[in-house]
Amino acid sequence: DTAVSQTPKYLVTQMGNDKSIKCEQNLGHDTMYWYKQDSKKFLKIMFSYNNKELIINETVPNRFSPKSPDKAHLNLHINSLELGDSAVYFCASSLDGPTRPGNTIYFGEGSWLTVV
Amino acid sequence: AQKVTQAQTEISVVEKEDVTLDCVYETRDTTYYLFWYKQPPSGELVFLIRRNSFDEQNEISGRYSWNFQKSTSSFNFTITASQVVDSAVYFCALSEIGNQFYFGTGTSLTVIP
Repeated sequence: DTAVSQTPKYLVTQMGNDKSIKCEQNLGHDTMYWYKQDSKKFLKIMFSYNNKELIINETVPNRFSPKSPDKAHLNLHINSLELGDSAVYFCASSLDGPTRPGNTIYFGEGSWLTVV
Repeated sequence: AQKVTQAQTEISVVEKEDVTLDCVYETRDTTYYLFWYKQPPSGELVFLIRRNSFDEQNEISGRYSWNFQKSTSSFNFTITASQVVDSAVYFCALSEIGNQFYFGTGTSLTVIP
């Protein structure tokens, strides 16, 4: 079983559309994340949830809205998609929150979003 | 300022050569953790190693070894007898108390057969 799984893996959509990426982890971790990786491979954290509560919310357009129905799931909804949103989005999880260093972050396989 | 610097953007080596990927970090904390991740061409991010600031012993895992030196704030990664399957982007990361992960910008390694 995949530890952190996200769907879809590939997503091609038109500008202005709304799309969601789903993420689930079966590691029993308390904290989940969304990261964005741009075309230069730079990894940037977007959001972090600990036990369903938002704890990190970086400077991300409010078109991006995370939702955590329970601590094993963290979905990402994106409204009014723009060309610049094209990137790879990684879901991840760790045992504890980022304020307790040393917890390894485990990543999903990534979702390749292309906005045309 | 960058918390984690991977100065080597791209490296190419011929198969069976040894290669070292550099990582320099910056922190004022005495307790911190360092990580390496591998991103193969298929795109997933794979955890390789975690090291805490109090353990400066070098680590070896098969052909992989890591050299942690607090005196130079470096956590370098060496692949011995490189193979084509080692071709990937490698990320170094730092985790501090009260802060999130800081990733380096990655080093793209190409192993030529």
